[in-house]
Amino acid sequence: DSGVTQTPKHLITATGQRVTLRCSPRSGDLSVYWYQQSLDQGLQFLIQYYNGEERAKGNILERFSAQQFPDLHSELNLSSLELGDSALYFCASSQDGGETQYFGPGTRLLVL
Amino acid sequence: GNSVTQMEGPVTLSEEAFLTINCTYTATGYPSLFWYVQYPGEGLQLLLKATKADDKGSNKGFEATYRKETTSFHLEKGSVQVSDSAVYFCALSDWGFGNEKLTFGTGTRLTIIP
Repeated sequence: DSGVTQTPKHLITATGQRVTLRCSPRSGDLSVYWYQQSLDQGLQFLIQYYNGEERAKGNILERFSAQQFPDLHSELNLSSLELGDSALYFCASSQDGGETQYFGPGTRLLVL
Repeated sequence: GNSVTQMEGPVTLSEEAFLTINCTYTATGYPSLFWYVQYPGEGLQLLLKATKADDKGSNKGFEATYRKETTSFHLEKGSVQVSDSAVYFCALSDWGFGNEKLTFGTGTRLTIIP
């Protein structure tokens, strides 16, 4: 158990819908990262937050957004969903100044 | 930009065989290198890491040495077990240069047969 929690574990929805994925980092970790794992793109970095502020952006679509709240949990919002958004979405966290990222169990999203 | 190239899978070995999974990288700075493992139906677990040249990371019988001259971080294990069956990902981060994201290889699926 990494100490990073993600909910829900599975999500099935339809095209055009909007979903929210939630992540709670390890106790004391200030950085939260979101990654997408798909069969065709592999593991891709989406976005990083550090203590409530966006720190880095990767291959994140404009339809996707994220935020980190004062209690440090983070949410990834996916809107206008398309079939191609079906993937496993991972959250990871690291300490302030820490380089090792610890991953949650992931949320498996299926868009029908 | 940064990139990681991993040995194509799948790899199938018999129990107690020697394992090598090749990993090479391209990075602009002085990256830290990682191996993560993903067991069926689970998330990513950190297996081992190395933060500078010639460092050796090790865990659960797995080892990898950071080779700057060959830009490689090959994963090895002397005697694999059925329980090692999983997907292995090589990754890097240029953390020291403010680029903290992990860049992953494509993953290598390993199957160990009894």
